[in-house]
Formats: sequence, C-alpha cells, structure tokens
Amino acid sequence: EAGVTQFPSHSVIEKGQTVTLRCDPISGHDNLYWYRRVMGKEIKFLLHFVKESKQDESGMPNNRFLAERTGGTYSTLKVQPAELEDSGVYFCASSQTHRANYGYTFGSGTRLTVV
Amino acid sequence: AQSVSQHNHHVILSEAASLELGCNYSYGGTVNLFWYVQYPGQHLQLLLKYFSGDPLVKGIKGFEAEFIKSKFSFNLRKPSVQWSDTAEYFCAVSGNTPLVFGKGTRLSVIA
Repeated sequence: EAGVTQFPSHSVIEKGQTVTLRCDPISGHDNLYWYRRVMGKEIKFLLHFVKESKQDESGMPNNRFLAERTGGTYSTLKVQPAELEDSGVYFCASSQTHRANYGYTFGSGTRLTVV
Repeated sequence: AQSVSQHNHHVILSEAASLELGCNYSYGGTVNLFWYVQYPGQHLQLLLKYFSGDPLVKGIKGFEAEFIKSKFSFNLRKPSVQWSDTAEYFCAVSGNTPLVFGKGTRLSVIA
C-alpha cells in the first residue's frame, strides 16, 4: 500500500509569508495527526483529525496555524504569517484507529525554514 | 500530562558494541510504549511497541526493549550494533491519547 505522503519535502519562505503543507494519509485511515519538531527539541503533537473533524487541537501553537481536512481525505496545514520560530520539520501520520497501540504510519516530513 | 525523557542526546559506538538507550516516562495510567527510528533521509518507522503481556519486547532488526513498570522505564537494547543502525531513535508513550515523544537520541556507529 502507498504510505503517507507529504508535500513539499522542503520549503524556504520569508518571515511574514504564507506556507501551506499537505499530507495525504494512507487510504482508509480515518485518523490523521500533525506533529512538529523544532531543531533539537522533541517531536510535539499539533492536532488530530478523525475524518474531517478536529478531535484534538490542543497542540496548535497559536492562531497563525490553520489545519483543514475537507472531505476527510488529505489535510493541509497553513501557517500565516510565518515567523522565524515556526522553522522545523512538520510530520504527518495516519492510523486506522485512534488508539496509538496499533501504531501510526508517518510521512517523511516537510522541512520548513523561515528566514 | 504525559512526558518522555531520553537521557542520551548523542551516542557514538563502534560496530559490534552493545547498545542501550534510556527512556523514562511520566504517566499515571496504563501506557503504551514505543520506539521509533528515523534513518537519514527517511520517515519515522516503528521499531517495537509494548502495550501488554511480556515486558520484554522484541522488534525489528534485532532490537528489544524492556518495560520496567516500577522504574517507569522502557530502555532500548541491541547486543551488537551495525553501521546501518546509524539513525535517530525516539521513545514515545501513549495512554488513550496521541503519541508523546522524547527528544530523540542520535546514534552514530563507526567502523
């Protein structure tokens, strides 16, 4: 089966610009997660979709971040306007159930650099 | 709140050396524990997981981990590392919530 796909793999933007990251989960996986890793820090949870609904968005850092999953398929994460501290690697993962013990499948991540 | 502590930031080993990476977690309830690995240029992959039963868990590529409930630990081990084990290793925990990760341990295996 195809894995979790993220696009773009790298993005370099200037402070104040807008960037949209995309994640295509494994087909049939209702659960989709966004995580972020700032350099040298842990991988931090951002939010969790079940189909098109936001189940948990407690990790979203502020209102400059907007995640959507229209139709319950792919998801986008928009950062507007981007700030320097938003630089990092953004990971997406999907799973069939919400229970983590069944494991998540991760994408390769999008490396975002804000200059 | 759940948290995960990985004690080693960067470990350098020679080939054939034994490996143990420390992981301690903080969570009051029933936990599921995981080790993920990220090889250079690749995505995060599941090495092994524990959610019940035998506390000694065997994973892929000869890795194993032992859940010690009294110590809140889930250390990763491998008897003999290879150059191809060079990667970053992440311990993670979940109750009935999304995964919480540690900061990761970078392993460099030298010839």
